[in-house]
Amino acid sequence: KQEVTQIPAALSVPEGENLVLNCSFTDSAIYNLQWFRQDPGKGLTSLLLIQSSQREQTSGRLNASLDKSSGRSTLYIAASQPGDSATYLCAVSSRTGNQFYFGTGTSLTVIP
Amino acid sequence: NAGVTQTPKFQVLKTGQSMTLQCAQDMNHNSMYWYRQDPGMGLRLIYYSASEGTTDKGEVPNGYNVSRLNKREFSLRLESAAPSQTSVYFCASSELLAADTQYFGPGTRLTVL
Repeated sequence: KQEVTQIPAALSVPEGENLVLNCSFTDSAIYNLQWFRQDPGKGLTSLLLIQSSQREQTSGRLNASLDKSSGRSTLYIAASQPGDSATYLCAVSSRTGNQFYFGTGTSLTVIP
Repeated sequence: NAGVTQTPKFQVLKTGQSMTLQCAQDMNHNSMYWYRQDPGMGLRLIYYSASEGTTDKGEVPNGYNVSRLNKREFSLRLESAAPSQTSVYFCASSELLAADTQYFGPGTRLTVL
């Protein structure tokens, strides 16, 4: 079974800092990897989807990379803002099943 | 364009009671999913529907049933609620099964006493 890990569980940074969130997975046979944002008491919002054939995807201040062979993905957030404060989750779609497997998330706080 | 909608937003049940959680999407997606989210456990898939007329078990299906009523609607039923089913339930949809972006509803917060 695919296991997805996100470390650290919580991160606090001052406004303006660049930061990296990490996601690791145990089975490299994946269709794709997706990064989500979740605000307290809300649903998940998709940020970026990286197909297994891609190395990275960019959207605005966000850049996600994928290294299948090492089972790792990173989400880079440039020039962080207080509005970026949320929980960030990664999910992997495994070729051995028809579903996404989620990590437990990193709770990010950007301090003004 | 409402995306994925879920009803109700909150629900309190007593042990043994039954209820149905409703989900609808207006994006003409083929695939729909039900997840539960528990502290420290991440999201876990309960059931999914690859396309209209099909449903399959996910990681944690025990105690639940689902119905894909039509292409838009996918409901989750708890026949006899248990305290272990206290959780936040999310419905999601995507164009293709586990192959592209998933869009999530706002969730239903369920407490079973």
